[in-house]
Amino acid sequence: DAEITQSPRHKITETGRQVTLACHQTWNHNNMFWYRQDLGHGLRLIHYSYGVQDTNKGEVSDGYSVSRSNTEDLPLTLESAASSQTSVYFCASSEIGTSGGARWAETQYFGPGTRLLVL
Amino acid sequence: SQQGEEDPQALSIQEGENATMNCSYKTSINNLQWYRQNSGRGLVHLILIRSNEREKHSGRLRVTLDTSKKSSSLLITASRAADTASYFCATVPGGSGNTGKLIFGQGTTLQVKP
Repeated sequence: DAEITQSPRHKITETGRQVTLACHQTWNHNNMFWYRQDLGHGLRLIHYSYGVQDTNKGEVSDGYSVSRSNTEDLPLTLESAASSQTSVYFCASSEIGTSGGARWAETQYFGPGTRLLVL
Repeated sequence: SQQGEEDPQALSIQEGENATMNCSYKTSINNLQWYRQNSGRGLVHLILIRSNEREKHSGRLRVTLDTSKKSSSLLITASRAADTASYFCATVPGGSGNTGKLIFGQGTTLQVKP
């Protein structure tokens, strides 16, 4: 069965360190997304990608970067971890509907999440 | 800003009762989706309803959409303890400027007591 996995599931790091969270999907979806979830804020979009070599900033992209070298993977890097980046991180993938130049999101499939603690 | 706002923020019912959660949004949409999140887990897709649809069913779930009021509701009938979770609505903005993203509300926390 197709799935989306994240690793590690739990991570403790120190401020200033670079951290990379992995996301791997076998749905063969072109579109992949990274969210963070914090109490009181719901899910907020960090970065997203519509295909290989394509990356875009979401609403809370500062301090994060992504790269897309193949269809299956979208790693999220925290360049210099800060305590404000302590959160639960979710990766998702989806198909996109398109018509006449417009595009819209279809069902998203989420990974199990990575709990990151920055000390 | 958040497109979808769920109401209530928290709901506690007895097993066997029905649970209704509401979602309001501000702009036109292409579709609206409902997700469930069990504690410590990822989100699971429940139902997608398109802007030209008014009602959809999936098992014990019923979703309605009123585009004139910019609102949607999720009804869970004959609730079970296993339905205890957080429920999120997510809207997909309509129009040619849409970039294919979902915009999530902050969720309704449902507790079903056995």
